[in-house]
Amino acid sequence: KAGVTQTPRYLIKTRGQQVTLSCSPISGHRSVSWYQQTPGQGLQFLFEYFSETQRNKGNFPGRFSGRQFSNSRSEMNVSTLELGDSALYLCASSLGIFSGTANEKLFFGSGTQLSVL
Amino acid sequence: QQQVKQSPQSLIVQKGGISIINCAYENTAFDYFPWYQQFPGKGPALLIAIRPDVSEKKEGRFTISFNKSAKQFSLHIMDSQPGDSATYFCAATKAAGNKLTFGGGTRVLVKP
Repeated sequence: KAGVTQTPRYLIKTRGQQVTLSCSPISGHRSVSWYQQTPGQGLQFLFEYFSETQRNKGNFPGRFSGRQFSNSRSEMNVSTLELGDSALYLCASSLGIFSGTANEKLFFGSGTQLSVL
Repeated sequence: QQQVKQSPQSLIVQKGGISIINCAYENTAFDYFPWYQQFPGKGPALLIAIRPDVSEKKEGRFTISFNKSAKQFSLHIMDSQPGDSATYFCAATKAAGNKLTFGGGTRVLVKP
């Protein structure tokens, strides 16, 4: 069974540009969450989707957005990139709606390393 | 606001030794506490988790100790092996369905 797949693996952008990251969850998983990982801030929650609906959102500016498709695949978009957006963006999937809880294990992809120059 | 504080930031242990990582949380609504292990170039992977109605949980060489009154929990890695060298994250969430709040991470290096 394939794991969580994130594309691209690496991305280099310049300030002001926008970027779209893609995530394919484990087959059968319907919940997708996104996290930002940086050396200074650690792992921070961006948002969570279930059945194409955003269920939770973290404390990030509106430049960060996401969506989920009917096949559970998800994309996140960052507009007007800033230097501080350089980070590893991790996607995680779980079977049902309560991602990360005792009944719903969270499986992470290897991430997309975004560098903003 | 950092709701889960993790220490130390890094630690070095000899092969066969015990690695101990501590976490403290603030939100008393948290009721599920997982630990994740992350190797370079990979995403975090669930290692072990505990609910606050249990004071200790052991899986192989990994043990979580939980102190609800102190709002603290810790991970013990017994008989540490070089293959355990990784970054470990504690986390907390409300089991009713919510985002994971992670600690800052601990980089563990096990020397052969």
